[in-house]
Amino acid sequence: DGGITQSPKYLFRKEGQNVTLSCEQNLNHDAMYWYRQDPGQGLRLIYYSQIVNDFQKGDIAEGYSVSREKKESFPLTVTSAQKNPTAFYLCASRPGTGSNQPQHFGDGTRLSIL
Amino acid sequence: QKEVEQNSGPLSVPEGAIASLNCTYSDRGSQSFFWYRQYSGKSPELIMSIYSNGDKEDGRFTAQLNKASQYVSLLIRDSQPSDSATYLCAVGTNFGNEKLTFGTGTRLTIIP
Repeated sequence: DGGITQSPKYLFRKEGQNVTLSCEQNLNHDAMYWYRQDPGQGLRLIYYSQIVNDFQKGDIAEGYSVSREKKESFPLTVTSAQKNPTAFYLCASRPGTGSNQPQHFGDGTRLSIL
Repeated sequence: QKEVEQNSGPLSVPEGAIASLNCTYSDRGSQSFFWYRQYSGKSPELIMSIYSNGDKEDGRFTAQLNKASQYVSLLIRDSQPSDSATYLCAVGTNFGNEKLTFGTGTRLTIIP
């Protein structure tokens, strides 16, 4: 089935540890996004990528890093510099520039601090 | 700073009635408008998109856009308990909508 797969569903981070969240899509979409959602809040953009080997910072990129080495994959690393990482992390994708198609989301990863 | 504003609710509507959700946005250059439904603990699901002034209907859902007044609304007819969720308004600033700005969402409860 075509879709966006995020893993793991739940993740726990120890103090000082970096953790990586996986996002894979088999929709042949060019653009991919990472959002963070805190309880009772909307979605805030962390990073986005419109093409392989290129990505841009969103509104809250500090403490996060990404890579886009393959079209289908856009992993997010939450570094130890992110002091408040507990949140629901959502990956989204869309066909890309030149298309007005909306973003669709994966099922999300819940990150908590141990 | 581009802003998208929604009434956080909760909005309670009797089953079978019409639920009306509203959203205003600050960027006059906005071109694309979306409504997502998010059940508790789940990821957002797209339910409507609209790009031109006027109404767009899809089943029990109608999206309404007024660019002059900078608002977009979502009407849900014959509300069902399964419509109970948080509804997120998202706005794209160009036709390619590379980036979306989301509102904080309106929590809707349908009362049986």
